[in-house]
Amino acid sequence: AQSVSQHNHHVILSEAASLELGCNYSYGGTVNLFWYVQYPGQHLQLLLKYFSGDPLVKGIKGFEAEFIKSKFSFNLRKPSVQWSDTAEYFCAVGNRDDKIIFGKGTRLHILP
Amino acid sequence: ETGVTQSPTHLIKTRGQQVTLRCSSQSGHNTVSWYQQALGQGPQFIFQYYREEENGRGNFPPRFSGLQFPNYSSELNVNALELDDSALYLCASSLSGVIYEQYFGPGTRLTVT
Repeated sequence: AQSVSQHNHHVILSEAASLELGCNYSYGGTVNLFWYVQYPGQHLQLLLKYFSGDPLVKGIKGFEAEFIKSKFSFNLRKPSVQWSDTAEYFCAVGNRDDKIIFGKGTRLHILP
Repeated sequence: ETGVTQSPTHLIKTRGQQVTLRCSSQSGHNTVSWYQQALGQGPQFIFQYYREEENGRGNFPPRFSGLQFPNYSSELNVNALELDDSALYLCASSLSGVIYEQYFGPGTRLTVT
């Protein structure tokens, strides 16, 4: 069965610090990979996605993620975080049937 | 805003009751997926509807059922509510057959007492 593991449940950083959130998945076939973000009081929204091609994908708000097939990883990065990045981040894997499996989420808190 | 709407926003029910949650999909989308997000957890896939038929189901008991209507809106029904059913229920719509991207609604917060 597919599963997604997010290594950090709660991360606290100061503004301008660099961010890397870990994500590993288990699925042997072709996967589509996603990072979703849920800002306080807002609905879940797509941050970035990987379907094929360049394993380094860029998303909104300066976020990027790198797909490393050999490590079954899809880590999220941002070189310099802002207070407005405070949110919960979910890594997810999808197959061809549109069904998405989410990780448990990482709560990111940025100190001003 | 994604164009996906859900109602009601909040709901309080007692154990053993039944509940119906509603979702209107984004214009042009023919597929609706439902997720349960318990406190401190990621969303868990309940089931998906495509063209009014169930098109896949997660690990949820039969007392979780759904419907999709000709206009692609959808309902999630839960019978015999249990305390553990307390969660945020998310609906997501997408267009099947295209490299997919799901758009989520704001969710319905269900509390079972």
